[in-house]
Amino acid sequence: GAVVSQHPSWVICKSGTSVKIECRSLDFQATTMFWYRQFPKQSLMLMATSNEGSKATYEQGVEKDKFLINHASLTLSTLTVTSAHPEDSSFYICSAPDRAGETQYFGPGTRLLVL
Amino acid sequence: DAKTTQPPSMDCAEGRAANLPCNHSTISGNEYVYWYRQIHSQGPQYIIHGLKNNETNEMASLIITEDRKSSTLILPHATLRDTAVYYCIAVNTGTASKLTFGTGTRLQVTL
Repeated sequence: GAVVSQHPSWVICKSGTSVKIECRSLDFQATTMFWYRQFPKQSLMLMATSNEGSKATYEQGVEKDKFLINHASLTLSTLTVTSAHPEDSSFYICSAPDRAGETQYFGPGTRLLVL
Repeated sequence: DAKTTQPPSMDCAEGRAANLPCNHSTISGNEYVYWYRQIHSQGPQYIIHGLKNNETNEMASLIITEDRKSSTLILPHATLRDTAVYYCIAVNTGTASKLTFGTGTRLQVTL
């Protein structure tokens, strides 16, 4: 199957700082990528849809000014958590559909801890 | 996308077949049934998907009832490494549709 990578795999930062998470499709191009967030003992919640060359689409309740998404190329989407606070601590996961658009493949996730 | 219902947890002895049920009684004709699993602290892993025919790959088999209102994922010989949360999702494909995850089934494989 297709491979999606994320970087970094984990990050610890101080409250008030910004953190950038990268999501890459390694062996295929993806005009669309998805960002999810998962809190402990909960399921994945979709945050936003990242569209190459255009603005991201955010789910209801997700602050677009706090979670900046940039999809600058067909293989890279970035999520920047701006002015991070402890409540933003979570597991962030991206996904991308394969060439046929039938199956989504997920990255390994990025664990963010805001102190 | 149609809502899916799964039991919260199941146990299975190592080496035995694990049969994970999923109810999707409101599924529409163009929605596929997808199965993913998430091992602790990892991203979800694609397992298998189908529309109405039974499917089999190197990981599992998917049995979909004739009325398409339910399905069963079968891991033929479960191992300890199959311990994970398994998600059943009904979704349209072909247009890079977003996935809506329910609570899934936590499968515990034991010795």
